[in-house]
This record gives sequence, structure tokens and C-alpha cells, in this order.
Amino acid sequence: AQSVAQPEDQVNVAEGNPLTVKCTYSVSGNPYLFWYVQYPNRGLQFLLKYITGDNLVKGSYGFEAEFNKSQTSFHLKKPSALVSDSALYFCAVRDMYKVIFGTGTRLQVFP
Amino acid sequence: GAVVSQHPSWVICKSGTSVKIECRSLDFQATTMFWYRQFPKQSLMLMATSNEGSKATYEQGVEKDKFLINHASLTLSTLTVTSAHPEDSSFYICSASRGAGRTDTQYFGPGTRLTVL
Repeated sequence: AQSVAQPEDQVNVAEGNPLTVKCTYSVSGNPYLFWYVQYPNRGLQFLLKYITGDNLVKGSYGFEAEFNKSQTSFHLKKPSALVSDSALYFCAVRDMYKVIFGTGTRLQVFP
Repeated sequence: GAVVSQHPSWVICKSGTSVKIECRSLDFQATTMFWYRQFPKQSLMLMATSNEGSKATYEQGVEKDKFLINHASLTLSTLTVTSAHPEDSSFYICSASRGAGRTDTQYFGPGTRLTVL
């Protein structure tokens, strides 16, 4: 069965510093991986996805994610964090018929 | 592009009544729509998958008679919570996908906050 794990419940970072939100995956076959962001009382917004090709995937709002097959990871990154990036981030993997979400990581960016 | 709307954004109802939530894909045709439930500080729990013109596929443990899903067109799916009880209070989120393939992105609605008194 496909699954993703987000080992950190919360990540704190100072504004202007680089940020990383971790995700590891377990899949059989080719992994189709996604990152979504959720702001309070809102639905999820799509950030980026990895299907195939370059291991570095660029997405919305300056985010990018690095696919690492040997480490089975798909960490979300941003070179310089903004206070407005504070939100809940979900890593997800596409199963045959549905998307399976991780437990989420709350990102808090301090001024 | 790829905008999904939900209506209403919040609803309060009395125990025993039914509530209908609409999910619309505004600028694309959605072959598949999904309904999720999210509890406070938790991840999304998939309730069911619906394909236009066919019966919804419910996840294990989800009562199909309680959570009625209708995918009437390629742009509209509805979730009806029948005989709602306080334990049904939750944040309900729908998503829509252009295709059913594994590489298709799901686009999410803004969610509906249901409170059952």
C-alpha cells in the first residue's frame, strides 16, 4: 500500500531563513507525489507535484521539492521563508484511485 | 484555472435534519470528485469517490445511507448528510480532478464547516 510520512508535527523558522518540511514515502511502483498547503478554515491549495523527470520540482509561491529516490523522500523547501507561509502543509501520494495524505506539518514563520 | 467552489461555506443545523453541501468545478469538467472530512488538527479522511453518472465508492467505515453523494454532472457533486447528529459536526472538503489517472491533480474546494446542535 502507498503511504507518506511527515515526521514533524511543527516546524518553526525565522522569516528570511530557508525552510524545509520533510516527507518520506513508501510506494510500490512509480511514485506520484504532491504537496498541498492549507490555511486556517480553508481547503487545500495545490503547490506542486512530482510525476517523472527532474528531481527538483518547482511550484507555487516560490516553493520547490526535491525527489530523492534513494532516501524515498520528497522534502518541501523554500530559500527564504515569509510570515505569510505559516500554514499547514500536507504531503500526499496518489494511489490507484485516491490520494493518500500525510498527517500534516504546521509551519510557523516568526518575524 | 482549476477552481473548485463549495456551498455553503458554513452551516448550523438542528440534530435530525438533513444538510446538503454542493461542490462545483468552475472552469473545468471534473471526471472524478472526492469528499473528505477533516477533524480539528488532523489530516483529511477520504469519505468517498464519485464519478459522473455512476454510484459513489465509499471508504470502509463510511455509512453510505447517511452520507448521500450525487455526481449529477461533470461540474457538480453534492453531499447530503442525512439525519445529522452532533458527531457529524466537522469540516467537509471536496476536491475535483479532470481525469481519473494517477498523475491527475486534485483541486480542492474551500471547505464547509458543519455544526450540528
